[in-house]
Amino acid sequence: DAGVIQSPRHEVTEMGQEVTLRCKPISGHDYLFWYRQTMMRGLELLIYFNNNVPIDDSGMPEDRFSAKMPNASFSTLKIQPSEPRDSAVYFCASSFGYNEQFFGPGTRLTVL
Amino acid sequence: AQSVTQLGSHVSVSEGALVLLRCNYSSSVPPYLFWYVQYPNQGLQLLLKYTTGATLVKGINGFEAEFKKSETSFHLTKPSAHMSDAAEYFCAVSDRETSYDKVIFGPGTSLSVIP
Repeated sequence: DAGVIQSPRHEVTEMGQEVTLRCKPISGHDYLFWYRQTMMRGLELLIYFNNNVPIDDSGMPEDRFSAKMPNASFSTLKIQPSEPRDSAVYFCASSFGYNEQFFGPGTRLTVL
Repeated sequence: AQSVTQLGSHVSVSEGALVLLRCNYSSSVPPYLFWYVQYPNQGLQLLLKYTTGATLVKGINGFEAEFKKSETSFHLTKPSAHMSDAAEYFCAVSDRETSYDKVIFGPGTSLSVIP
């Protein structure tokens, strides 16, 4: 099993540009989570899906952020337009039911 | 709402010494409890978890944690620290007051191991 796959691993962009982060969960997992980690705010849950349906997006900071899960094997987190304060490490995680979450390696986003 | 506190954002121990990382949660319903570890430039990985049954839970790399309902605690321990234990440790609880599937993470404790 390849684990949770995230791409890109690093992203550097300029303020105002659109950023798309991608995640492939572990096959068979029915939950997918997007987190953001910063030194100041720690690990924050942005949104999570169950069976491809968004369940709770209360952690999405503002309308510039959107997430989709078109099928069980793929999810995207989009930021448009991006701002310097969006710089962080973004993690995707998946789980089967209420069991442990498996985290991807993260995408380090830098917005200049 | 459910919350998780970890006493001490940074803990230093000598190699071979006892490791004790503290975690307390707020909940009227016994939650599912987890400890995750994060090594530099990596994602989080599960150390151990408590759902039901025996309150002393053993995990990977010699770590264990004990669920104490009366103290609403789930402290993580390891008898003898190793240099490779240096990492960030996160306590997490499932939000059983609202839904099982949402997990709330604590702020993390950075563990340093001094040779």
